[in-house]
Amino acid sequence: LAKTTQPISMDSYEGQEVNITCSHNNIATNDYITWYQQFPSQGPRFIIQGYKTKVTNEVASLFIPADRKSSTLSLPRVSLSDTAVYYCLVGDRNTGFQKLVFGTGTRLLVSP
Amino acid sequence: EPEVTQTPSHQVTQMGQEVILRCVPISNHLYFYWYRQILGQKVEFLVSFYNNEISEKSEIFDDQFSVERPDGSNFTLKIRSTKLEDSAMYFCASSEGHGPSNEKLFFGSGTQLSVL
Repeated sequence: LAKTTQPISMDSYEGQEVNITCSHNNIATNDYITWYQQFPSQGPRFIIQGYKTKVTNEVASLFIPADRKSSTLSLPRVSLSDTAVYYCLVGDRNTGFQKLVFGTGTRLLVSP
Repeated sequence: EPEVTQTPSHQVTQMGQEVILRCVPISNHLYFYWYRQILGQKVEFLVSFYNNEISEKSEIFDDQFSVERPDGSNFTLKIRSTKLEDSAMYFCASSEGHGPSNEKLFFGSGTQLSVL
């Protein structure tokens, strides 16, 4: 699986847009990019997944440039409850993601 | 939204004792997983299970660990002789299966295992 690199931490204020960028230079043709969120003492929670260009759901947007060597998770108008660790994962959808490998993630702290 | 349930939420045991962690995956899911997270560290993959057999396991998942699906609803992780370093939060997860729908893993809230 392709290795990912994310910032260790980010700070933001309520109401701001937060963009977390993940590098995955060795992404393979079949790899999809998936983001999970984890609150303290809880299991990770799926946020969004994409292959190229832009994907948007009710929670976030995911921007993937043409070369797919990076991706950016965008959280619009964050609130205090968005304080969590965000993980970027890259894996082969065709193999079933049987072995998701979590990195250290990005610890987002949202302040009032 | 359907959810994965894990019991107990906390388990304290003595070193050398056997523990069984229990999970009820989402009912129509076919793939099951165990992950663990030592305090302050990464979420680590342990094992995946499909069609009543292990499909993949990590180097952490040694002979002290075993998994079982004893009936149609439960999925268990057994640690035969616990060590201090087994202390961690253990997460069960499930997914629908192969193909486009299986990329979304649903995680339980975890069992915090403390080995004394």
